[in-house]
Amino acid sequence: AQKVTQAQTEISVVEKEDVTLDCVYETRDTTYYLFWYKQPPSGELVFLIRRNSFDEQNEISGRYSWNFQKSTSSFNFTITASQVVDSAVYFCALIPNTGGFKTIFGAGTRLFVKA
Amino acid sequence: DTAVSQTPKYLVTQMGNDKSIKCEQNLGHDTMYWYKQDSKKFLKIMFSYNNKELIINETVPNRFSPKSPDKAHLNLHINSLELGDSAVYFCASSRPLAGSYNEQFFGPGTRLTVL
Repeated sequence: AQKVTQAQTEISVVEKEDVTLDCVYETRDTTYYLFWYKQPPSGELVFLIRRNSFDEQNEISGRYSWNFQKSTSSFNFTITASQVVDSAVYFCALIPNTGGFKTIFGAGTRLFVKA
Repeated sequence: DTAVSQTPKYLVTQMGNDKSIKCEQNLGHDTMYWYKQDSKKFLKIMFSYNNKELIINETVPNRFSPKSPDKAHLNLHINSLELGDSAVYFCASSRPLAGSYNEQFFGPGTRLTVL
């Protein structure tokens, strides 16, 4: 099976807390691509990061960081010192190399950041 | 400059009607997609075109028909609308790299309400 599991349906934190959004994926392919997208309350979907299966380097971009671990098939997303503007639905997504252009999205995690 | 645009943004119509949603991208991308997002925020791919050729055609009712007049446009026509078609429909585009897959850029979405 090829799928993405985001087990956390909703997370609520207080501003300045750190929060980690979990993403576990399944694929038979040895080459694949992982993504995170953000959907704020305004509704648009915004690309955050792309990772290839052969690049396990973690990435940091400002308050955002991503931890890719092939051994556990996970691609987790951490927001440090969360802010109210981080409130959104976050989607993890997978494109297996043999899947053509088909992106498999997780169900999303809704993050509430309270002031 | 809008990268991926959709019209209309909101569409309210009666059951049984036929309606179209238009999508245009000015990013020079070769691949375009239609997604349906239901009330629980679940994103499901419906169709994808690469260089005007249909490459993904998921299990959707044949009342839904995509049309790509050129690489920059992908329209979605829906016949005999049903209550269950109410959702947000997103158009997206991407530029695939040779042997790789890039992130997608999404339009603002069209909220379809069938009464």
